[in-house]
Amino acid sequence: GAVVSQHPSWVICKSGTSVKIECRSLDFQATTMFWYRQFPKQSLMLMATSNEGSKATYEQGVEKDKFLINHASLTLSTLTVTSAHPEDSSFYICSATGTGPTYSNQPQHFGDGTRLSIL
Amino acid sequence: GQQLNQSPQSMFIQEGEDVSMNCTSSSIFNTWLWYKQDPGEGPVLLIALYKAGELTSNGRLTAQFGITRKDSFLNISASIPSDVGIYFCAGGSYNTDKLIFGTGTRLQVFP
Repeated sequence: GAVVSQHPSWVICKSGTSVKIECRSLDFQATTMFWYRQFPKQSLMLMATSNEGSKATYEQGVEKDKFLINHASLTLSTLTVTSAHPEDSSFYICSATGTGPTYSNQPQHFGDGTRLSIL
Repeated sequence: GQQLNQSPQSMFIQEGEDVSMNCTSSSIFNTWLWYKQDPGEGPVLLIALYKAGELTSNGRLTAQFGITRKDSFLNISASIPSDVGIYFCAGGSYNTDKLIFGTGTRLQVFP
């Protein structure tokens, strides 16, 4: 149980292109989804928290106009990197938590990540 | 952003050896989680701890939630080649859905 699917797994595109990444919870309803970015040999850094039907909450330093997040249903959140540039190249990972009475019972389950390379 | 201190940063061990790594924080957490990440993949949950002092096992893995709520350790017994990867601790609090991740421990197992 608790499977999170992320698509695509790998993207190479030209500078200036916008790229959309999808994150789906396959066997549970995800009230909250999270988007992380991970640079080589570093830990995961939270970019934003997304609750179904409401605006995402961005971490300090993350440009909300550049990283557009939509969480339209309980099983799908999308991250769009707008007008991507080489410095946006990274490994982007989503995670999701299901419904439950308290956070402590709902650990985050991660997708397999999307490697984004901007030329 | 905030990160937890995780040590050691990397370990190179021989197959069959036991492994121990830990995670410390200056602030308390209500939940400690341990994840393993293989290259090019997302982290996979290994063990979740919800109570101070709790000791939980998952096969050859054992983790404990420190009494002070500011630390946690993960032990791997009788390591095998497939244990290779990066291990991350993560702390959670009741007042937020966010997790704070450790800096990671890179484990290499030699046959």
